[in-house]
This record gives sequence, C-alpha cells and structure tokens, in this order.
Amino acid sequence: AQSVTQLDSQVPVFEEAPVELRCNYSSSVSVYLFWYVQYPNQGLQLLLKYLSGSTLVKGINGFEAEFNKSQTSFHLRKPSVHISDTAEYFCAVSMEYGNKLVFGAGTILRVKS
Amino acid sequence: DVKVTQSSRYLVKRTGEKVFLECVQDMDHENMFWYRQDPGLGLRLIYFSYDVKMKEKGDIPEGYSVSREKKERFSLILESASTNQTSMYLCASSFLGQGWKETQYFGPGTRLLVL
Repeated sequence: AQSVTQLDSQVPVFEEAPVELRCNYSSSVSVYLFWYVQYPNQGLQLLLKYLSGSTLVKGINGFEAEFNKSQTSFHLRKPSVHISDTAEYFCAVSMEYGNKLVFGAGTILRVKS
Repeated sequence: DVKVTQSSRYLVKRTGEKVFLECVQDMDHENMFWYRQDPGLGLRLIYFSYDVKMKEKGDIPEGYSVSREKKERFSLILESASTNQTSMYLCASSFLGQGWKETQYFGPGTRLLVL
C-alpha cells in the first residue's frame, strides 16, 4: 500500500530565509506526486504536481519540488520565504493504477519576522 | 475559478443526532470527495463519488454515508453522531479526465464538534 511520510511536523524559519519541507513516499509502481497548501481557516489548494517528465517542478508563489525516484522523495523548496507563506503544507501521492490520493500528516511552516 | 462551497463553517451537534454536511461545486466536475482532517493524521478519505448516484468507500467509511442525487452536490451524513467524529470535514471535487492525476479543488471545510 502506498504511504506518505512528512518528516517534520513543524518548521520555523525567519523571513527571507530558504526552506525545505521534506516528503518521502512508499510505492513500488509509478506515482503521481502533489503538494497542497492550506492557509489558516481555508481549504487546501494545489501548489504543484509531478506527473511525468522533468523531475524539477515549479509551482505557484515561488515554490518548487524535485522528484527523486531512487530516494522516493519529493521535497518542497523555496529560496526566500515571506510571512504570507505561513501555512500547513501537505504532500500527497497517487499511483498509476491506484484508487485514491494518499496525504501525509502535514508540515506547519511558521515564518517569523 | 473553481468554487467548492460547504454549507456550514462550524457546527455543534449532540451525540446521537443525525448530521448532514452539504457540498456544492460549480465546475461540472464528475468526481467529488469527502475527507476528514485531524491534527497529525493529515487528510483521510471517507467516501468519493465519480458520478450521480455512484459512491465508493474510502479509508474510513464507518459511521458515515453519502448521497449524490445531482452532479454538483455531494452530501455527507453522520447517521448517529459520536464524539469521535469531532473533526474538520473537507469536500473536494475534480474532473474525471485522468483519474487520480487530476487536481482536487477543496472547499473551506466544516469544523464539527459533537458534544
């Protein structure tokens, strides 16, 4: 069965610093990978997704993620964060012939001034 | 822009009550989903539907049922609410197109407290 591990439950960072949110998945078949963001008191919205092709995926708000098949990882990065990036970030995975989207437990990014 | 709306942002119910959570989407999406969100557990799929009157169980369907009588509306029903169903409930929708590759669009959530 597929599963997703987000290695950090909370990541505090100062404004304008770089950040990496880590995500590892387990699956022996082709996967599709997603990062969703949930701002306070809102639903989730898509940041970016990897379906195939280039392993470096660029998303909205300056975020990017890299698919690493050998390490089964899909870490999210931003070179310089803003206060407005404070939110909870969810990694999710689905399989090529699967029947659902599986979410990780989430990582709360707290950007401090 | 896709809009997914949920009937209530906050609900307080008593143990044993029947609870209805409503979700409406305006983008003619075939797929609709109900998730439960709990701290430290992420989102867990309760039920989904890929067509009117069709439903599939997710990971945690026990204690819940769903109804999809119209394409744009997907209802989650707690037959007899219990305190362990206190949670945030999120509705989502997506195109059928490429299956689980498709982006899901989420509503703002309903925070349910069962006393």
